[in-house]
Amino acid sequence: DIQMTQSPSSVSASVGDRVTITCRASQDIGDWLAWYQQKPGKAPNLLIYASSTLHSGVPSRFSGSGSGTDFTLTISSLQPEDFTVYYCQQSHTLPWTFGQGTKVEIK
Amino acid sequence: QVQLQESGPGLVKPPETLSLTCTVSGGSISSYYWSWVRQPPGKGLEWIGYIYYYGSTRYNPSLKSRITMSTDTPKNQFSLKLNSVTAADTAVYFCAGGGGPWYFDFWGRGTLVTVSS
Repeated sequence: DIQMTQSPSSVSASVGDRVTITCRASQDIGDWLAWYQQKPGKAPNLLIYASSTLHSGVPSRFSGSGSGTDFTLTISSLQPEDFTVYYCQQSHTLPWTFGQGTKVEIK
Repeated sequence: QVQLQESGPGLVKPPETLSLTCTVSGGSISSYYWSWVRQPPGKGLEWIGYIYYYGSTRYNPSLKSRITMSTDTPKNQFSLKLNSVTAADTAVYFCAGGGGPWYFDFWGRGTLVTVSS
C-alpha cells in the first residue's frame, strides 16, 4: 500500500494566518491527490482533487499544489471555521489511502 | 444535490456480520461510483471499497476476504456486508460517492457501529 504521511500532525495559528500542510507519498502518485476537511462529529468534505483543483463551492483561500511524492495544502488567511482536521488521500494505486490527519488549532 | 444516509445496527456481536445500507437521494445510483470509508473512534480514515451501479467492485485487500458490496438500483441503495467482525471493526462507517472512483464528492453523515458481545 502507498503510505501517506502528513506534517505537521498539528499546527497552532491565529485567524488571518497563512497555514501550509504537507503530505508526502511513499511512491510517485502523479497528481492523484485529494484534500478533505473534517469537523468534529461530521463527515469529511472534499476541498481539492487532482492535487490543485478546487472542488465546487470551496472558498478560494484554500489551494493545493504538488506532484509526484510531495504535496501541500495552503490556507491563505485562516477563518474561524477553518480550525479543524485535514486529511490527504491518494487515488493513484489501490487501495486508496489517507494521511493520518493534521489538526489546525487556535493559538 | 445528492444526499446519502447510512442505516443499520449500531451494535454487532463478534463474530457476526455487519450490514449497512446507504440510501441515495437527489441523484441516480447509476450515475456515480459508491464507496465505504470507516473511521475508528479518535483515529484516521480507512477506505473499505467501491462499487459501480452494475456491480463492478474493488475492495481494500486488508478486508477483501470479509467484504461484500452490492447495489439495489430500483431502491437507489447500496450496501456493505463485513463478516466475522471483531472489536477492531468498531468505527464510524461513512458511505460516499463521486463522479469517479478516485475521490469522494459527497458523504453520508456516518453511523457508529460498535462490535461487542
